[in-house]
Amino acid sequence: QQQVKQSPQSLIVQKGGISIINCAYENTAFDYFPWYQQFPGKGPALLIAIRPDVSEKKEGRFTISFNKSAKQFSLHIMDSQPGDSATYFCAASKGSQGNLIFGKGTKLSVKP
Amino acid sequence: NAGVMQNPRHLVRRRGQEARLRCSPMKGHSHVYWYRQLPEEGLKFMVYLQKENIIDESGMPKERFSAEFPKEGPSILRIQQVVRGDSAAYFCASSPLAGVTDTQYFGPGTRLTVL
Repeated sequence: QQQVKQSPQSLIVQKGGISIINCAYENTAFDYFPWYQQFPGKGPALLIAIRPDVSEKKEGRFTISFNKSAKQFSLHIMDSQPGDSATYFCAASKGSQGNLIFGKGTKLSVKP
Repeated sequence: NAGVMQNPRHLVRRRGQEARLRCSPMKGHSHVYWYRQLPEEGLKFMVYLQKENIIDESGMPKERFSAEFPKEGPSILRIQQVVRGDSAAYFCASSPLAGVTDTQYFGPGTRLTVL
């Protein structure tokens, strides 16, 4: 049973474009939704995170949109750059437990 | 402030041998999590530890795998009698004291190859 479903599996975007990655979750007890960025051979790095009491959070070029009723959240990368080329993972957790449930990842390639 | 450290970065073992993976959390962090990542897959939770305590091991295989986080020293993930299916990247994450347990910072991982 996959508790966090992520799409698309891969994404190609032109430099300057908007990259959009979507995630859907099943467990309504989840209360923390982070996005991680991972470069080849490296560990995941926290990019941005949101809690369900807000519908949107923006940090620089990165925005999370959250739809509690639909149990969906998405990452938007504005003005995408070649340096953004990486694999992005959404995740979810229940605050009382702490362990993260990850999506399968989206490999983003930004073409110059 | 150094990040989460893991060693070794690469580990090669033959089937039947033991693998020991070490994780030193960030300074001031007392919560450690271990995750496993198979090729082209997301990370799967294995175990959550605090100093000298296993809090949640629901993601860890019942046999051959064990983890500890002693009062002094790094956290250790131990895999006995390794099999080819254990080949994966193993990541450790740490988070601060209780109350902020959801912000996890990951180490660079240990890539285990079983021949």
